[in-house]
Amino acid sequence: EAQVTQNPRYLITVTGKKLTVTCSQNMNHEYMSWYRQDPGLGLRQIYYSMNVEVTDKGDVPEGYKVSRKEKRNFPLILESPSPNQTSLYFCASSFRLTTELFFGEGSRLTVL
Amino acid sequence: QQQVKQSPQSLIVQKGGISIINCAYENTAFDYFPWYQQFPGKGPALLIAIRPDVSEKKEGRFTISFNKSAKQFSLHIMDSQPGDSATYFCAAVNDYKLSFGAGTTVTVRA
Repeated sequence: EAQVTQNPRYLITVTGKKLTVTCSQNMNHEYMSWYRQDPGLGLRQIYYSMNVEVTDKGDVPEGYKVSRKEKRNFPLILESPSPNQTSLYFCASSFRLTTELFFGEGSRLTVL
Repeated sequence: QQQVKQSPQSLIVQKGGISIINCAYENTAFDYFPWYQQFPGKGPALLIAIRPDVSEKKEGRFTISFNKSAKQFSLHIMDSQPGDSATYFCAAVNDYKLSFGAGTTVTVRA
């Protein structure tokens, strides 16, 4: 089954404790990206990757890091989480942006 | 700031009615305009999309109208059904960036 898998789905952590949200896709997509969803703001792009080893900032990259060492994986790293990073995070992938973007189920993160 | 402005924030429609969601943008470099549908607890899923050289696209009960000169586009849901109750996001693509509207929560009353 074609899918984008995120883990963990739910996480409560404390300020400053480094965490990684993993994302994996099995569709051989070149493009992958991360979004955060907040009420009243819709989805905002954090980082995106056009292909292996090629990443770039989206609209809200501060406080986040990414890496793309393999085509199928695109982890999101929060080096020192803060409460304003409490949000619902989505990973997505596609062959290119002008085709369908497939989203994962989301990861709800709470930073205390 | 939001590059794509979406309205209304929410709407309620009776079964069989028409739901209309509007979006506006400023960046003329946008060259692809998808709409995504999201159910509670799920990730968004592509509903329908249009390119700026087309003024209208219809897929089943869903229609996008696109006005390039006004830099506006809208989603019309005809014969709305309770199963259409969801949050709808318009979006615009420029190079490798995808900008979303703030979303519209549609509730269809039976």
